[in-house]
Amino acid sequence: GAGVSQTPSNKVTEKGKYVELRCDPISGHTALYWYRQSLGQGPEFLIYFQGTGAADDSGLPNDRFFAVRPEGSVSTLKIQRTERGDSAVYLCASSSRQGGDYGYTFGSGTRLTVV
Amino acid sequence: SQKIEQNSEALNIQEGKTATLTCNYTNYSPAYLQWYRQDPGRGPVFLLLIRENEKEKRKERLKVTFDTTLKQSLFHITASQPADSATYLCAPAGRGSTLGRLYFGRGTQLTVWP
Repeated sequence: GAGVSQTPSNKVTEKGKYVELRCDPISGHTALYWYRQSLGQGPEFLIYFQGTGAADDSGLPNDRFFAVRPEGSVSTLKIQRTERGDSAVYLCASSSRQGGDYGYTFGSGTRLTVV
Repeated sequence: SQKIEQNSEALNIQEGKTATLTCNYTNYSPAYLQWYRQDPGRGPVFLLLIRENEKEKRKERLKVTFDTTLKQSLFHITASQPADSATYLCAPAGRGSTLGRLYFGRGTQLTVWP
């Protein structure tokens, strides 16, 4: 696609529920990243995929968070037993390769609100 | 742990002047550093990348410097315009096993007034 697409754009869920956030990267981009951004803060790294595998998942805050990218394109971030502290904007980014002069292309994010 | 500091939360300048934003980092040595622009309700937009062996990089009205001794990057916008008003994020990368990770600062909100 022309850009990184994230769905839904907004998600309101009740505490304790399970949510899935989807990311459609730019076609052909092998690297995919998940970040989350709280109000007034910079994005915080969660996980990075190179192809289908998680190259670095050390930013996931706990075992309630899990992400997959089974075919090396679309990725899903899954959050179990949501807590109010999970409320944030979840950003996905992709890049054609790591370390190039291209930077990362971010989506507009999914705003998650846990009530 | 890594710490990224951007000089101020807000910077207000007059149209036509040069805006200078500062980014300082501590406790690590990034392989490269990126700068992004973020508008309200949108994801960050990539502007420039500078590597540890580069001192300066330019793109149109933008200039980035990288001083690995001072652990500092400066971001300049010359001939600033009201359309440049946004939040600017500094993002040094990791290295080695964390090369794919960016560590973002909180950002500097730039306002350019006519």
